Amino acid sequence: KNEVEQSPQNLTAQEGEFITINCSYSVGISALHWLQQHPGGGIVSLFMLSSGKKKHGRLIATINIQEKHSSLHITASHPRDSAVYICASRGGTSYGKLTFGQGTILTVHP
Amino acid sequence: EPEVTQTPSHQVTQMGQEVILRCVPISNHLYFYWYRQILGQKVEFLVSFYNNEISEKSEIFDDQFSVERPDGSNFTLKIRSTKLEDSAMYFCATTTGNTIYFGEGSWLTVV
Repeated sequence: KNEVEQSPQNLTAQEGEFITINCSYSVGISALHWLQQHPGGGIVSLFMLSSGKKKHGRLIATINIQEKHSSLHITASHPRDSAVYICASRGGTSYGKLTFGQGTILTVHP
Repeated sequence: EPEVTQTPSHQVTQMGQEVILRCVPISNHLYFYWYRQILGQKVEFLVSFYNNEISEKSEIFDDQFSVERPDGSNFTLKIRSTKLEDSAMYFCATTTGNTIYFGEGSWLTVV
């Protein structure tokens, strides 16, 4: 059974800081998602990775398949980045059956 | 406009009552999923649905739960006799290719 763990659980930053959130998983996966959950509860997909690195605006996601580890970086953080960031792994061929981490609560202060 | 619309956004129900949560994808997505998130806990997979049948389900998805797509657009999750521990946020999701889209969630409170 795959376990997905994130660190840190809570992260507070000042506007402009570089932020890193880490995710590790216990068994081989076919892909890893980074998701954003806002206070209202809705979940938005940020990235889907199966190898290497992806970048979208100020967000960068990397994955190391051998080490079973992924990171989400936010450059030049902004208060609007405050949210819960969740990594979720996909094990097999079912694109939507994901195993979720517990989430990282990010608060960015102006 | 969201890809996936869920209703209701919030429902309070008495223990033992039946609840139906609805999900409407905008475009012609074929794969559907239900997840739940108990307050303060991880999001958990409940069930996946494709071609009008369940393709996979978790241990959580017991006989109290059922899913169907009655009219080709709505995708519903029914809880037959709600328990206090069913109180959670329920998310519908759909996939097209490698992209997953979540609804805004339906917050169910069982009292």
